[in-house]
Amino acid sequence: DIQMTQSPSSVSASVGDRVTITCRASQGISSWLAWHQQKPGKAPKLLIYAASSLQSGVPSRFSGSGSGTDFTLTISSLQPEDFATYYCQQANSFPFTFGPGTKVDIK
Amino acid sequence: EQLVESGGDLVQPGGSLRLSCAASGFTFSSYWMNWVRQVPGKGLEGVANIKQDGSEKYYVDSVKGRFTISRDNAKNSLYLQMNSLRAEDTAVYYCARRGTTGDWVASWGQGTLVTVSS
Repeated sequence: DIQMTQSPSSVSASVGDRVTITCRASQGISSWLAWHQQKPGKAPKLLIYAASSLQSGVPSRFSGSGSGTDFTLTISSLQPEDFATYYCQQANSFPFTFGPGTKVDIK
Repeated sequence: EQLVESGGDLVQPGGSLRLSCAASGFTFSSYWMNWVRQVPGKGLEGVANIKQDGSEKYYVDSVKGRFTISRDNAKNSLYLQMNSLRAEDTAVYYCARRGTTGDWVASWGQGTLVTVSS
């Protein structure tokens, strides 16, 4: 199985800050990577797919980059509604696996 | 688009449970479908997935031989039959639709809680 890691595990930030989250795959996955956002008590929500494609309806302050084994999710200007946990997911092979999550909370 | 799970419950170790997912708002028969679980307060794990016509099914190793995924395209429904349940199967189970162009989860249900405990 492909193992996914994320860093940092948590980040404290203020509204307006630029936040960057990194995801690494244990083997190359080309661009078969997605990013999901989850708020407490809610189901996850797809933000980014194919490493850099923005899901319909997702604000443009979210962006993704990377290929192979190293990927990045960037929030250009953090908004109050962005405080949540973010998970990367590899879609290269089953079982599709998720990173352990990065919690973004208020500084 | 909506995915609504049901069937979660408290069950004893060794017991069985069947989860259901009712899909609406999209052409259910055109998509691979998945079950993904999340231990409360923990991360996400893909459990099983099934091809559009049910001809291909895949399972994570920890549930092989115990769980069975199935679908009824006429009823726009996805199922997960869970047998020989263990404490470590305790989780919120999400029904999830595959993306159009890749195996990422494109759409999630609200989840149903399965608790395995005596």
